[in-house]
Amino acid sequence: DAMVIQNPRYQVTQFGKPVTLSCSQTLNHNVMYWYQQKSSQAPKLLFHYYDKDFNNEADTPDNFQSRRPNTSFCFLDIRSPGLGDAAMYLCATSSDSGGLKETQYFGPGTRLLVL
Amino acid sequence: RKEVEQDPGPFNVPEGATVAFNCTYSNSASQSFFWYRQDCRKEPKLLMSVYSSGNEDGRFTAQLNRASQYISLLIRDSKLSDSATYLCVVSTGGFKTIFGAGTRLFVKA
Repeated sequence: DAMVIQNPRYQVTQFGKPVTLSCSQTLNHNVMYWYQQKSSQAPKLLFHYYDKDFNNEADTPDNFQSRRPNTSFCFLDIRSPGLGDAAMYLCATSSDSGGLKETQYFGPGTRLLVL
Repeated sequence: RKEVEQDPGPFNVPEGATVAFNCTYSNSASQSFFWYRQDCRKEPKLLMSVYSSGNEDGRFTAQLNRASQYISLLIRDSKLSDSATYLCVVSTGGFKTIFGAGTRLFVKA
């Protein structure tokens, strides 16, 4: 089945220790997104890739970076995690064409804990 | 003012009840509108897109009022399995997507 996969599902890191979260998709969608969701809050868009073009949200801290080496994979790098970065990180994809344009398909998320 | 606002609830309703959620958005240039459903500790999943003419999918009806800048979701004949958080999502185009904080629904037997 076509899907969006995130690994790991749970990640524990230490304060200040760099961490990378990964996302892969078999939908062949050209747009990929990273969201941060804290408890009882809305998912907050961090950035998205339109093909290889990176689009950062204005209020996304520099501590968050992303890489998209190919259509299928996208990574979220947190350079120096702080306690406030503990959250669920959601990857999503969408296509810019077709009947379900802009509909986003989410992965199961990676729950990050910072000690 | 938040760009997308929802009543957080929770809404506690008995099975079989009809329940309605509203969502308001601030950017009049918004182009696309969606309702997503999110179960506890799970990812959001598309429930339905919202069109200007209104649309219905089984027990679910979505409406868009561009003049007043709000979106609504009506659930008829509520089931226990409808218990979830319902997220209103607005896109201004250019893949900039803003989620509301969600409305929690509990359907009880």
